Amino acid sequence: EDKVVQSPLSLVVHEGDTVTLNCSYEVTNFRSLLWYKQEKKAPTFLFMLTSSGIEKKSGRLSSILDKKELFSILNITATQTGDSAVYLCAVRVDNNDMRFGAGTRLTVKP
Amino acid sequence: NAGVTQTPKFQVLKTGQSMTLQCAQDMNHNSMYWYRQDPGMGLRLIYYSASEGTTDKGEVPNGYNVSRLNKREFSLRLESAAPSQTSVYFCATSRHTDYEQYFGPGTRLTVT
Repeated sequence: EDKVVQSPLSLVVHEGDTVTLNCSYEVTNFRSLLWYKQEKKAPTFLFMLTSSGIEKKSGRLSSILDKKELFSILNITATQTGDSAVYLCAVRVDNNDMRFGAGTRLTVKP
Repeated sequence: NAGVTQTPKFQVLKTGQSMTLQCAQDMNHNSMYWYRQDPGMGLRLIYYSASEGTTDKGEVPNGYNVSRLNKREFSLRLESAAPSQTSVYFCATSRHTDYEQYFGPGTRLTVT
């Protein structure tokens, strides 16, 4: 059975801290891994990763994939209160099905 | 551009009633998806449509049907609602199936 596991489930930090969110997966036919940010409503797209070892970066956020060890990390540096959200990891499998993890709830305190 | 729109925003049904959730997009995307999101469980794919005229089952299709009416619209039907279908339903679209997805605002459905 395809499985995506995120850790930690929740995290509380202070503004300015750096955080690392983890996503591990076991799927039959991997195509890509995606990260989303979900605040109160709809998830918004952050990154899509298909190749190992190539870092994707957008401002203070970055992500990398390791296809040998079957995991990805999402880093956020110099966190701000606006980074508070649930971060979702999803894996696209060969039949175009998507498997989401349960998410990591990040709270950034002033 | 509205992006991805969903109607209704909220709905309360009694067990056994039927209803259709509507999704429309003006992004000219080929692929569309229906997900449900339950507390602590993340998003689960119900059905998707890789392109106009095709539909396929996702992880949790039982109790649902879909129609890809045209390129813009993808509807989700509950024929006989059950309390286990109480959830938040999201529609999403992507340029093609290998691209990132864009989500609508969601429909909160309660079945009593």
